[in-house]
Amino acid sequence: GQNIDQPTEMTATEGAIVQINCTYQTSGFNGLFWYQQHAGEAPTFLSYNVLDGLEEKGRFSSFLSRSKGYSYLLLKELQMKDSASYLCAVKTTSGTYKYIFGTGTRLKVLA
Amino acid sequence: KAGVTQTPRYLIKTRGQQVTLSCSPISGHRSVSWYQQTPGQGLQFLFEYFSETQRNKGNFPGRFSGRQFSNSRSEMNVSTLELGDSALYLCASSLDDGRETQYFGPGTRLLVL
Repeated sequence: GQNIDQPTEMTATEGAIVQINCTYQTSGFNGLFWYQQHAGEAPTFLSYNVLDGLEEKGRFSSFLSRSKGYSYLLLKELQMKDSASYLCAVKTTSGTYKYIFGTGTRLKVLA
Repeated sequence: KAGVTQTPRYLIKTRGQQVTLSCSPISGHRSVSWYQQTPGQGLQFLFEYFSETQRNKGNFPGRFSGRQFSNSRSEMNVSTLELGDSALYLCASSLDDGRETQYFGPGTRLLVL
């Protein structure tokens, strides 16, 4: 089967660093995405990894290891506005491309 | 540049009816994808259209269909509505330039009674 696992909820303190993990098992792989979704709003694209390694974009970084079926999203210098759900998604290659999403990690940033 | 727009924003239907939702992508974007989001199942991919052709399809029944027009605007249709179709329907557009950046619209919240 196809599966994406990520923690349901995480809590961190303002100014801290948090790492949100995502593991996946899919039939074929053509890239991994991270999205941020605030309550009641649409998801916002954060990153796309298709090759192994770390991609850094300001306070956010995303890492991918294809051999381990593993990715993480690293958020530095946490701010209150980072309180949101973070969705991990994989683009598979089973026949035509399909996108499979994890259920999301709800991050709470405390003052 | 205007973002992705979706209409209507809210909709109430009854079981057995059919519904059509509309999505206008960001100007210049030719790829439009549709997603269903529910509290229980999370975000699920419905289908993707590119240049008026369905390029990818998720695992949804044939009651869910879509199309794309020459101006890249897209519609999705759900026939014979079921209670379980109550969800937030999101569309996302992208340039299809290899960077895979998708921009989501605000969604249409559908309630089936």
